[in-house]
Amino acid sequence: NAGVTQTPKFRVLKTGQSMTLLCAQDMNHEYMYWYRQDPGMGLRLIHYSVGEGTTAKGEVPDGYNVSRLKKQNFLLGLESAAPSQTSVYFCASSRPGQGAYEQYFGPGTRLTVT
Amino acid sequence: AQSVTQLGSHVSVSEGALVLLRCNYSSSVPPYLFWYVQYPNQGLQLLLKYTSAATLVKGINGFEAEFKKSETSFHLTKPSAHMSDAAEYFCAVGNFNKFYFGSGTKLNVKP
Repeated sequence: NAGVTQTPKFRVLKTGQSMTLLCAQDMNHEYMYWYRQDPGMGLRLIHYSVGEGTTAKGEVPDGYNVSRLKKQNFLLGLESAAPSQTSVYFCASSRPGQGAYEQYFGPGTRLTVT
Repeated sequence: AQSVTQLGSHVSVSEGALVLLRCNYSSSVPPYLFWYVQYPNQGLQLLLKYTSAATLVKGINGFEAEFKKSETSFHLTKPSAHMSDAAEYFCAVGNFNKFYFGSGTKLNVKP
């Protein structure tokens, strides 16, 4: 089992460019999440999905879009990158169950927007 | 709304000393509580979780945490710190589809 994988690991974008981050999990989890991590702010939820074909906004969704066309994949898109989106992005997955099940995290994608 | 407060963004202990990392939560419903550890340039790994089965929860690497409803706390402890414990630790509360994380505590272990 690879667990949760993220592609790419590093990326540098110029302001206004677009990109897609890919998250894949092989644990057959229903729930998937995208977070951003900034120093001193912990993890903040961007978007999440409770199943294939469904997505919902989290705490900081502006400037991001997501899609969950397949159960095992969760894509995070930046249509027009801004320096404020410089961050480390983590994907996670979990089983459903009212928050009783822990999340499994990917290794992260470090994004710099210049 | 859920929230998690971790007191102390940086904690420094000597090797062999007690580790105590504090976490307080606010929740309108019985919470599911977690502690995660993050080593440099890695993702988060689960240390332990509370899901109402027992108030004292034992996790990996000798860590444990006690759920105290009256104090709305879920502090993480380890009797004797090891150099390999140096990392950042996050407390989180889970409710339905969402998880809420504290801002993290960086643990430094001095030789």
